[in-house]
Amino acid sequence: RKEVEQDPGPFNVPEGATVAFNCTYSNSASQSFFWYRQDCRKEPKLLMSVYSSGNEDGRFTAQLNRASQYISLLIRDSKLSDSATYLCVVGPKGNEKLTFGTGTRLTIIP
Amino acid sequence: ETGVTQSPTHLIKTRGQQVTLRCSSQSGHNTVSWYQQALGQGPQFIFQYYREEENGRGNFPPRFSGLQFPNYSSELNVNALELDDSALYLCASSPTGLNTGELFFGEGSRLTVL
Repeated sequence: RKEVEQDPGPFNVPEGATVAFNCTYSNSASQSFFWYRQDCRKEPKLLMSVYSSGNEDGRFTAQLNRASQYISLLIRDSKLSDSATYLCVVGPKGNEKLTFGTGTRLTIIP
Repeated sequence: ETGVTQSPTHLIKTRGQQVTLRCSSQSGHNTVSWYQQALGQGPQFIFQYYREEENGRGNFPPRFSGLQFPNYSSELNVNALELDDSALYLCASSPTGLNTGELFFGEGSRLTVL
């Protein structure tokens, strides 16, 4: 079983729609959770950290369920510029030894 | 503020050769991590360096080695190259004392092994 599992997609979603991604992780001792975004042929960049209480940043909402070892990302009112690969990332502490999922590819259609 | 820079951007090697990849961390960052990203996969953690010492290592064989220099720049060395080593090698830096977990990645070095 992979340490971090994501649906690779692709997700093709019309502009303005809401889209949700899920991710599961296997190590119950994990303490750090993130969503990174990677544009085609570019480096990954932090989208947002994920906290147990859930957190929101504009159109993006992240949730963590420690009991089910499950992380989610919700994007509302999707924009063309949201087209990218979204990487679920888990680690033991801070930024040490981060484990990345394979990524979920999202394409927003005009 | 200069971001993370890596060199070379692209290179081609043959099986059995050795390669050295270089990384300059972002100003003010003293921790450097290296990741390998194969096509269609997420980045895989190779190792992290803090204050010139290895601070954690992923599931990579000993022929993957690294260095961090006093100016916090870093090198990744791979010996006895194999075809499966073909990948994008990403360097990421982060500041100490700021435990946000954010890694600042360079654009990567794309290695092709023939």
